[in-house]
Amino acid sequence: EPEVTQTPSHQVTQMGQEVILRCVPISNHLYFYWYRQILGQKVEFLVSFYNNEISEKSEIFDDQFSVERPDGSNFTLKIRSTKLEDSAMYFCASSEFGRLGRDNEQFFGPGTRLTVL
Amino acid sequence: QKEVEQNSGPLSVPEGAIASLNCTYSDRGSQSFFWYRQYSGKSPELIMSIYSNGDKEDGRFTAQLNKASQYVSLLIRDSQPSDSATYLCAVWDGTASKLTFGTGTRLQVTL
Repeated sequence: EPEVTQTPSHQVTQMGQEVILRCVPISNHLYFYWYRQILGQKVEFLVSFYNNEISEKSEIFDDQFSVERPDGSNFTLKIRSTKLEDSAMYFCASSEFGRLGRDNEQFFGPGTRLTVL
Repeated sequence: QKEVEQNSGPLSVPEGAIASLNCTYSDRGSQSFFWYRQYSGKSPELIMSIYSNGDKEDGRFTAQLNKASQYVSLLIRDSQPSDSATYLCAVWDGTASKLTFGTGTRLQVTL
């Protein structure tokens, strides 16, 4: 069964460093998302991406964050200068349909645990 | 601010019983509703989606939607210890390409 994959599973970085989290969405999906979950808290939306551009972003997704689809399979989240409060699980998700589709089930990858020291 | 509310639990049910999980949402324009299961330290796993008022059954799971009351529920029949997890209610409002999640209800199925 197709699945979303993410690398690395765990990333430890120093405050102020740049990190890139990588995702490979399900191959026939056109809509891609990043969410995060701080330990013990709810899953929070960061950004959605369709047709090589951002569709929607949350207040969390400030200028320190960027997303890219560098090739036909990868989808990346970059944090330019990490802060302590960026420590969280970051989940990539994809869906076949998005805003225009009703059947817009989103499937999540296993996540990357980001620890900022 | 669009909100999705769930009782955090834990909800404790004996093995073989029916577990009932509830969720309310604030945005009347919401169109699609999802239940995810999340084991500790793992990612959300989609178990049910529902779009129309009424019930939708899939195996031991039944999702119920009442748009007038802005209420979604998930019933798990014949609960098993492996069902012990946090159940996340998620709502898609149709105007933005995102899901809004509740905090989740922790379910414990006891032997």
